[in-house]
Amino acid sequence: DTGVSQDPRHKITKRGQNVTFRCDPISEHNRLYWYRQTLGQGPEFLTYFQNEAQLEKSRLLSDRFSAERPKGSFSTLEIQRTEQGDSAMYLCASSLPGRWQFFGPGTRLTVL
Amino acid sequence: AQSVTQLGSHVSVSEGALVLLRCNYSSSVPPYLFWYVQYPNQGLQLLLKYTSAATLVKGINGFEAEFKKSETSFHLTKPSAHMSDAAEYFCAVSEGGTSGTYKYIFGTGTRLKVLA
Repeated sequence: DTGVSQDPRHKITKRGQNVTFRCDPISEHNRLYWYRQTLGQGPEFLTYFQNEAQLEKSRLLSDRFSAERPKGSFSTLEIQRTEQGDSAMYLCASSLPGRWQFFGPGTRLTVL
Repeated sequence: AQSVTQLGSHVSVSEGALVLLRCNYSSSVPPYLFWYVQYPNQGLQLLLKYTSAATLVKGINGFEAEFKKSETSFHLTKPSAHMSDAAEYFCAVSEGGTSGTYKYIFGTGTRLKVLA
């Protein structure tokens, strides 16, 4: 069990650029979650996959955000035309059905 | 809708003193409740969880929490603080049962400072 991994750990980009983050869950976990954490706040739910199906999206996930989990294993989160308000820590978590979530180390995004 | 309130965004205790971090929840269904700890620039580590079994839950690093339905509370305690306990602590609630998203709703966090 190598835990949940995320790549990159840090990303600095200029406003208007596109960025993509990757999450590799624990191998037998079929549920995968994305959260966003801004400074001084708790994580907020963005979206959820069960296997390759994206089953729920938060209203926080604007049209500029898209997430995929093509083969039910790793997942990507893409942000198009980044804005300064997108600066945050993006956390990925995975779990078995009905079990608690294991979190990755996060990707810290800074939009200049 | 589910929600979590953590009273006190900053708590300071002396090393060796009792740690008490407060969490109150709101849920229309039997909740699952969690405490996570976050060290700077790191992800979240599970401290303990309540999933409708024993109301007094013991976790890692000497932490424990008690689920009190009548008070809708799930406060985190540790008898004796250690310098390494300095971190941010998050309480979270999730819907229970065998189906559902199981997404977490987090509180805003409590930053614990341990004084030498």
